[in-house]
Amino acid sequence: EAQVTQNPRYLITVTGKKLTVTCSQNMNHEYMSWYRQDPGLGLRQIYYSMNVEVTDKGDVPEGYKVSRKEKRNFPLILESPSPNQTSLYFCASSLTGSLNQPQHFGDGTRLSIL
Amino acid sequence: QKEVEQNSGPLSVPEGAIASLNCTYSDRGSQSFFWYRQYSGKSPELIMFIYSNGDKEDGRFTAQLNKASQYVSLLIRDSQPSDSATYLCAVNANNNDMRFGAGTRLTVKP
Repeated sequence: EAQVTQNPRYLITVTGKKLTVTCSQNMNHEYMSWYRQDPGLGLRQIYYSMNVEVTDKGDVPEGYKVSRKEKRNFPLILESPSPNQTSLYFCASSLTGSLNQPQHFGDGTRLSIL
Repeated sequence: QKEVEQNSGPLSVPEGAIASLNCTYSDRGSQSFFWYRQYSGKSPELIMFIYSNGDKEDGRFTAQLNKASQYVSLLIRDSQPSDSATYLCAVNANNNDMRFGAGTRLTVKP
């Protein structure tokens, strides 16, 4: 089954404790992206990757890191999480980053930073 | 000014009616437009996309695009309670830049 898989689905942690949210897709997609979703603000892009070893900042990259060492994986790293990073996070992928490609979303990761 | 604007709702329609969801965008260079449906606690799922001015129909759904007015809409005919969800408008101006609206919450009452 074609899918985007995120882990963990839920995480409660404390300020400053490094965490990684993994994202993996099995569709051989070139383009992958991370979003956060907050009430009233919609989905905001954190980082995206056009292909292996190619990453770039989205609208709200501060406090986050990503890497794209393999085509299928695109982990999101919070080196020193803070409470304002409490949010619902989605990983998404598309075949390419071109204009007409819809994105396929993972099931989401709900992070709570205390 | 938000780049992609939607009425947050809630929009409430009776079962069987037409639901009309609207979206405006600020970037005149935008070229592709998407509607996603998101059930509470779930991930967005693609309903339709449209690139050209005019209407595009897919089953009970019709997307309408007017680039001159920077306006895109989604019509849902014969609305069902299962259509109750939040509908996200997404606009792609450049190859890498997908912008989402905050979403309109639709409730279809039996």
